[in-house]
Amino acid sequence: GNSVTQMEGPVTLSEEAFLTINCTYTATGYPSLFWYVQYPGEGLQLLLKATKADDKGSNKGFEATYRKETTSFHLEKGSVQVSDSAVYFCASDGSSNTGKLIFGQGTTLQVKP
Amino acid sequence: EAGVAQSPRYKIIEKRQSVAFWCNPISGHATLYWYQQILGQGPKLLIQFQNNGVVDDSQLPKDRFSAERLKGVDSTLKIQPAKLEDSAVYLCASSLGVGRQPTYEQYFGPGTRLTVT
Repeated sequence: GNSVTQMEGPVTLSEEAFLTINCTYTATGYPSLFWYVQYPGEGLQLLLKATKADDKGSNKGFEATYRKETTSFHLEKGSVQVSDSAVYFCASDGSSNTGKLIFGQGTTLQVKP
Repeated sequence: EAGVAQSPRYKIIEKRQSVAFWCNPISGHATLYWYQQILGQGPKLLIQFQNNGVVDDSQLPKDRFSAERLKGVDSTLKIQPAKLEDSAVYLCASSLGVGRQPTYEQYFGPGTRLTVT
């Protein structure tokens, strides 16, 4: 079946450190992949997406590359800021045409000054 | 552009009581989703509407949960009777449509936090 697995958190980093949050998926076919972010007290927001293999999604200094061979979509940022502290969710559409999203369990990132 | 609106933001009820949540999607968005997010987990789709028709309700516990989207705009999600395990954040999202090329972004509301005691 379709599923998404993220690395467990919380992840605690110092400001300007390098961030990686691992995400792997299982799906029939070739799903579109997404990273959503949830800042404290706010709703989920789309951070970036990739719709086919080898695509790289990027936004606000974050990047993720769709790797079909490893079924992964790891989130990276070269230098995190305190304002990046949030919960990050990896998601897949499971190759569905309905737009239904399958989410990972979320990874909490805390960045300390 | 106004975002997805949800109310109430918080609700506390006792088990076996009833509760209803309301969602107003972004104007012009044909597709509306209700997700359940249990603490420490990612959101799980409960039901999806396309205009006022149901596209997917395979994970909706139909013995206690119901949802409707009259006139293809606002939607309500009801739980009757509530159980302790229904404690969660209920998220509403909307999108212009559905499809894969291009993919349609889902916009999420702030959610309703339900506590069942």
